[in-house]
Amino acid sequence: GEDVEQSLFLSVREGDSSVINCTYTDSSSTYLYWYKQEPGAGLQLLTYIFSNMDMKQDQRLTVLLNKKDKHLSLRIADTQTGDSAIYFCAERLTNQAGTALIFGKGTTLSVSS
Amino acid sequence: AAGVIQSPRHLIKEKRETATLKCYPIPRHDTVYWYQQGPGQDPQFLISFYEKMQSDKGSIPDRFSAQQFSDYHSELNMSSLELGDSALYFCASSPWAGVPNNSPLHFGNGTRLTVT
Repeated sequence: GEDVEQSLFLSVREGDSSVINCTYTDSSSTYLYWYKQEPGAGLQLLTYIFSNMDMKQDQRLTVLLNKKDKHLSLRIADTQTGDSAIYFCAERLTNQAGTALIFGKGTTLSVSS
Repeated sequence: AAGVIQSPRHLIKEKRETATLKCYPIPRHDTVYWYQQGPGQDPQFLISFYEKMQSDKGSIPDRFSAQQFSDYHSELNMSSLELGDSALYFCASSPWAGVPNNSPLHFGNGTRLTVT
């Protein structure tokens, strides 16, 4: 995760909004992704955004992209206890088939009732 | 919907032994990726295959090898296992969607390898 940085922890109360931030370094990234990982489980794709977009909304999730600052954020509205998990930001560097996603170190979201 | 299938779910090996992990991608997905995730770590990319050819290479040790077969399933072979190889190994698959390459990776539930 050396090219993608995230804050490590976020604690919110149930019903509040959560904002998870991510910065990336490679300006050639075309798509940026958010994945969720619950304990002992695999990575679940939440949403993604194309680099020529500023915002994408999907139900309770809003992704904001500031390409100039290479800053990506994920906002979760009305956060629930079931949202407690680790959230990973990821970037894809090239358009070639098979190019891997590079992940940040993940943000642990803790939701208290 | 069909997901990525990995086997085995758990594996315990001793140092210097070998292990083989298997991955069955989502139907019609032609690309597979292998990741290693240590405790409390982010997933580290190991290697990927597109249409049975190695496509991208990450931090895969020389002791590890992988291949993708004609039915698109993939196997990760690990030899001379070390204690530090204990981790969760994920396989992911994606379809090739052309350029720009928006092919989100769909992950399996992983194989937890413990080396004693």
